[in-house]
Amino acid sequence: RKEVEQDPGPFNVPEGATVAFNCTYSNSASQSFFWYRQDCRKEPKLLMSVYSSGNEDGRFTAQLNRASQYISLLIRDSKLSDSATYLCVVNGASGTYKYIFGTGTRLKVLA
Amino acid sequence: DADVTQTPRNRITKTGKRIMLECSQTKGHDRMYWYRQDPGLGLQLIYYSFDVKDINKGEISDGYSVSRQAQAKFSLSLESAIPNQTALYFCATSGSGENYGYTFGSGTRLTVV
Repeated sequence: RKEVEQDPGPFNVPEGATVAFNCTYSNSASQSFFWYRQDCRKEPKLLMSVYSSGNEDGRFTAQLNRASQYISLLIRDSKLSDSATYLCVVNGASGTYKYIFGTGTRLKVLA
Repeated sequence: DADVTQTPRNRITKTGKRIMLECSQTKGHDRMYWYRQDPGLGLQLIYYSFDVKDINKGEISDGYSVSRQAQAKFSLSLESAIPNQTALYFCATSGSGENYGYTFGSGTRLTVV
C-alpha cells in the first residue's frame, strides 16, 4: 500500500459544481496534513493545512478523518480557475522531517 | 522577487556531464529541500538540510550531491548526469515545526540527452 494515495482523476465538473477529493494515508501516527495546488508545469503551492476539527477557507473545506485515515478537500461553486492538480501531503510520525506527497488529483472545471 | 529562486529554469545537458542546480530563498527559514517530480509520480525527496551544518539524504539521493553554502542557499549537483535523471526539480524551504508548509521555487526542467 502506498503511504499516500489519491485518485488521479481527472474530475471533469461544470462551473458552479461542488467537487470533493479524498486522500488516504497509511501511517496512523501522521500529525500534519496539507493540500497543495499545482498548475501544469508549475510549482506546488500551499492551498491549506488540514486541522483535526476541519477547516474552511472561502469555497474550500478540508477535513480529517483519523479513524479511517483519510483527508478530504471540498470545493464549492467551482471556477474555471480551480482547474489544477491537487496534491495531498502528509508527514510521518511526530518529530520526523518526512513529508509524503500524493501523486495528485487532476481537476478540470468546464465552462 | 520570488521567495525561492531556482536557476536555471531549463537545462539540456549531455550524459556524463556534471551539472549544478542552484536555489536561494529570502524567507529566512533554516530548512531547505530538493525534490524531483516525474510524470505520474509524486514528488520524491532527494536531499534536505535543517541548517547550514546539517545535510541529510532523502529517498533517492544516489547520483546526487548537495551543498548548503549559507542559510539562504542550497545547491544540487548531478555528478555524472544520466538520462533517467531527466525530470522537473524543485527546491523548497519551510519553517521549523511540523505544521509549516513548504514554499517551492518555480522549478528547473532538466533534460539529459
